[in-house]
Amino acid sequence: AQTVTQSQPEMSVQEAETVTLSCTYDTSESDYYLFWYKQPPSRQMILVIRQEAYKQQNATENRFSVNFQKAAKSFSLKISDSQLGDAAMYFCAYRGSGAQKLVFGQGTRLTINP
Amino acid sequence: GAVVSQHPSWVICKSGTSVKIECRSLDFQATTMFWYRQFPKQSLMLMATSNEGSKATYEQGVEKDKFLINHASLTLSTLTVTSAHPEDSSFYICSAHPLTPNGANEKLFFGSGTQLSVL
Repeated sequence: AQTVTQSQPEMSVQEAETVTLSCTYDTSESDYYLFWYKQPPSRQMILVIRQEAYKQQNATENRFSVNFQKAAKSFSLKISDSQLGDAAMYFCAYRGSGAQKLVFGQGTRLTINP
Repeated sequence: GAVVSQHPSWVICKSGTSVKIECRSLDFQATTMFWYRQFPKQSLMLMATSNEGSKATYEQGVEKDKFLINHASLTLSTLTVTSAHPEDSSFYICSAHPLTPNGANEKLFFGSGTQLSVL
């Protein structure tokens, strides 16, 4: 079974600085999708960024970018120019190519210090 | 963008009663919806996959008689917590993705969740 591991329960960063959240996963599949979701205090799940495993280019969405290392099964999220509104729980998630369900990591609570 | 509506947002009930939670896709059809459970400060754990017109697929360790799932149409799935007890208190979240020919590449949309508190 696929597993997703986030080894940082909590992270904090100064406003306007850059922070990187780590994620590793285990799978025997060659084709799959990886996601980062944000869960603010409202608990609404918000998609931050998505990466298709067959794409070598790292996905970017404005201030958010990933470092996808397929061989190492690593998928880290970099947040540049951190803003107070970025404070939330961040979940890394995996989805197989044939499956629709998501497997989530344990989450990382990100605090932004003003 | 696609929206998934989940109701109620919170519910308080007495031990032994049953509670129904609805998950609706408002502007798209979904043959499959997912139900997750989230305890405080923990991750989302998949409970079951809801399949339109057929039986739900439950994850290991989830009691199907306890958590009844009905997916009667392409836009509605319901989760009924039967004979609820305090240990069933949790945050329940549903998700769905649009039905398209290339469904594997579509992102999932989440409901806003339901906080269940059983007294």
